[in-house]
Amino acid sequence: EDKVVQSPLSLVVHEGDTVTLNCSYEVTNFRSLLWYKQEKKAPTFLFMLTSSGIEKKSGRLSSILDKKELFSILNITATQTGDSAVYLCAVTSRQLTFGSGTQLTVLP
Amino acid sequence: ETGVTQTPRHLVMGMTNKKSLKCEQHLGHNAMYWYKQSAKKPLELMFVYNFKEQTENNSVPSRFSPECPNSSHLFLHLHTLQPEDSALYLCASSQDSRVQETQYFGPGTRLLVL
Repeated sequence: EDKVVQSPLSLVVHEGDTVTLNCSYEVTNFRSLLWYKQEKKAPTFLFMLTSSGIEKKSGRLSSILDKKELFSILNITATQTGDSAVYLCAVTSRQLTFGSGTQLTVLP
Repeated sequence: ETGVTQTPRHLVMGMTNKKSLKCEQHLGHNAMYWYKQSAKKPLELMFVYNFKEQTENNSVPSRFSPECPNSSHLFLHLHTLQPEDSALYLCASSQDSRVQETQYFGPGTRLLVL
């Protein structure tokens, strides 16, 4: 059975802090790893990672995949209150398996 | 209109009611998905349709009945639901479910079963 585990489950920081969210996985026939941001609605796509060691960046967000150690991290620098959300990691193999998410709260 | 749309956005129903959720995608995709998101649980895949054919039924109870008349539309027919079926139901689409790449989500229908 495919498994995706995210940590921490929740995180509270202050504006300006840098955070690192973790995602580890055990799947058969790995294809890609996806990061989503979910506020009070549907998940919005952030990154898709397929190759180890290649960092993807979008503004203050960045992510990297380690296919040998089977994990990915999502970094957010200079956090803002608008970054408060659940961050979901998902892995595609035969199907798409989601982790339970990390609830990030950024305080002013 | 672009993207993935879902109606209604909110639904309250009794256990004896019959209702339907609708999803429409304007992205030219061929695969559509239904997910259930309960509080404090990971997203659960319910059904997958690829080129209008159901390719996945993830042990979903028969009180949930999907319908995919064409690649742009997906329905979830609900009848005799239970209170534990209360959740956010998300629809998603992608180019082709065999490729299993990025899925684009609709805004969801928040369902409350009384």
